[in-house]
Amino acid sequence: DIQMTQSPSSLSASVGDRVTITCRASQSISSDLNWYQQKPGKAPNLLIYAASSLRSGVPSGFSGSGSGTDFTLTISSLQPEDFATYYCQQTHGTFGQGTKVEIK
Amino acid sequence: EVQLVESGGGLVKPGGSLRLSCAASGFAFSNAWMSWVRQAPGKGLEWVGRIKSKTDGGTTDYAAPVKGRFSISRDDSKNTLYLQMNSLKTEDTAVYYCSDGLAVWGQGTTVTVSS
Repeated sequence: DIQMTQSPSSLSASVGDRVTITCRASQSISSDLNWYQQKPGKAPNLLIYAASSLRSGVPSGFSGSGSGTDFTLTISSLQPEDFATYYCQQTHGTFGQGTKVEIK
Repeated sequence: EVQLVESGGGLVKPGGSLRLSCAASGFAFSNAWMSWVRQAPGKGLEWVGRIKSKTDGGTTDYAAPVKGRFSISRDDSKNTLYLQMNSLKTEDTAVYYCSDGLAVWGQGTTVTVSS
């Protein structure tokens, strides 16, 4: 089974900060990588699909990059509504452990 | 409206069985690969398993913790996805979501395994 390793597990940041979360697959998954945002008590919300494609309606401050085994989610300028937990997922497969983004 | 609605959750004793359903509407369910994902209390998301569309073979794949105990099936005539859970353990306690593997997610149904 492919393992997804996400880091960091948590981070503290301020509004306006640039935030980067990384995800590494145990073997190549090409670009079959999605990024989700989840808030407490809610289902996950897709942000990025196919590693770098921004879902329609998602703010342009979110971006994804990478292919093969190494992937990155970047939030260019953290907004108050962005404080949440973020997960990478191999499409129809394993999730990373999650990154909780908290207010500094 | 594109929608997934799960049902069938509840309280079950260890060793028991439960079948979850996921009713789809608003999209071409028969063409979609579908997944089940769960989230234990206070924990992260865990992929449970996936079923391909019939045109892609209809095959299933499961995460190691549930392989041999859980079974995913689909009824395209009813636009419904199923998760049959047998030999349930306390560690299977979670909110269970169905998803198209991308943007479409249900609201989740809670399964509690406890004596």
